[in-house]
Amino acid sequence: SQTIHQWPATLVQPVGSPLSLECTVEGTSNPNLYWYRQAAGRGLQLLFYSVGIGQISSEVPQNLSASRPQDRQFILSSKKLLLSDSGFYLCAWSGGSAYEQYFGPGTRLTVT
Amino acid sequence: GIQVEQSPPDLILQEGANSTLRCNFSDSVNNLQWFHQNPWGQLINLFYIPSGTKQNGRLSATTVATERYSLLYISSSQTTDSGVYFCAVEEGGKLTFGQGTILTVHP
Repeated sequence: SQTIHQWPATLVQPVGSPLSLECTVEGTSNPNLYWYRQAAGRGLQLLFYSVGIGQISSEVPQNLSASRPQDRQFILSSKKLLLSDSGFYLCAWSGGSAYEQYFGPGTRLTVT
Repeated sequence: GIQVEQSPPDLILQEGANSTLRCNFSDSVNNLQWFHQNPWGQLINLFYIPSGTKQNGRLSATTVATERYSLLYISSSQTTDSGVYFCAVEEGGKLTFGQGTILTVHP
């Protein structure tokens, strides 16, 4: 069966510091991968998605970037964090011709 | 882009009660998903339902794509049903989420 992992689970970082969040998927190949952010416990906003290695689409202009160095690895980065980057970051995957998405456990980021 | 509206925004129930959550969307969509977000933030897949009706235990969902809405029914609610319920519509492989319904079930 497929599983999705995210780490770290929680992170507290000062303003201006770099960021790297990692997401990996097991049990499937060539998944579609997604990064979402959830602020204030309500709706999720799609940040990036990827249909293959090195293929990244950005949905929202922001201080963040994404990379997919391996088939089942998706990384969310920032060179300099802002206070507004605080939130709950979720990674998701979908496979094949079905677009049903499955979510990881998330990373709670606090920028101080 | 497509708009997704959920109602009610908040719902408080006594254990054993039934409830209906609604999701309206502004345009034709390929698919629709319902999720439950537990207190730890984990999004749990409930239904993948582009049209028709599905049931899973005490939960069922109906999507009427031609009228652009979906309903989630929770019967005989339990305290463990508490959390946030999201619907999300899929277009071009990407999900657009509603703002969610916060459900609180009291014992």
